[in-house]
Amino acid sequence: AQSVTQLDSHVSVSEGTPVLLRCNYSSSYSPSLFWYVQHPNKGLQLLLKYTSAATLVKGINGFEAEFKKSETSFHLTKPSAHMSDAAEYFCVVSVLAHNNDMRFGAGTRLTVKP
Amino acid sequence: DTAVSQTPKYLVTQMGNDKSIKCEQNLGHDTMYWYKQDSKKFLKIMFSYNNKELIINETVPNRFSPKSPDKAHLNLHINSLELGDSAVYFCASSPNTRGSYEQYFGPGTRLTVT
Repeated sequence: AQSVTQLDSHVSVSEGTPVLLRCNYSSSYSPSLFWYVQHPNKGLQLLLKYTSAATLVKGINGFEAEFKKSETSFHLTKPSAHMSDAAEYFCVVSVLAHNNDMRFGAGTRLTVKP
Repeated sequence: DTAVSQTPKYLVTQMGNDKSIKCEQNLGHDTMYWYKQDSKKFLKIMFSYNNKELIINETVPNRFSPKSPDKAHLNLHINSLELGDSAVYFCASSPNTRGSYEQYFGPGTRLTVT
């Protein structure tokens, strides 16, 4: 079965410091992996996606993620946090054998302190 | 030029009532989805339609009935609303059912059952 585990339910960083949001996946197939962001009372916006091309994926707003098959990880990083990055972040795996059914992680709430 | 739109944005109703949420996408996508986000922000797929045909129907009470009049619309009708139905419901679409395609989400409908 395909699933993702977000290792931290809440991450707090200071503005200008690096961000690391951790995600491990489980998949019987070569997975497609995504990171989505949800700002308070808003819908979900795609940050970036991995679909078996380059293992280092660059997304919007300075975020990037690295697919590491040996570690079954797809951690999200950003060199310098901005106040506007405060939001809920979801790691997602696409269930290829189930018609692109997306399985969401439980989410990581990112807080950015001034 | 909203890509995926939902109406209404907020819906407050009493137990036992029947209500509908509408979703429309103008992206020309073949596949549409309904997700439920609970109070802990956990997102779970409910239904998926591809070219007006139901392809995913997760374990959802049969009080929930999706209807797709055409491939640009996927409405969600809920009968005999219960307190536990209170949640945010998101509609999404993708080009087709291949796993490499991301899904585009609507802004969500916050349903409150009193």
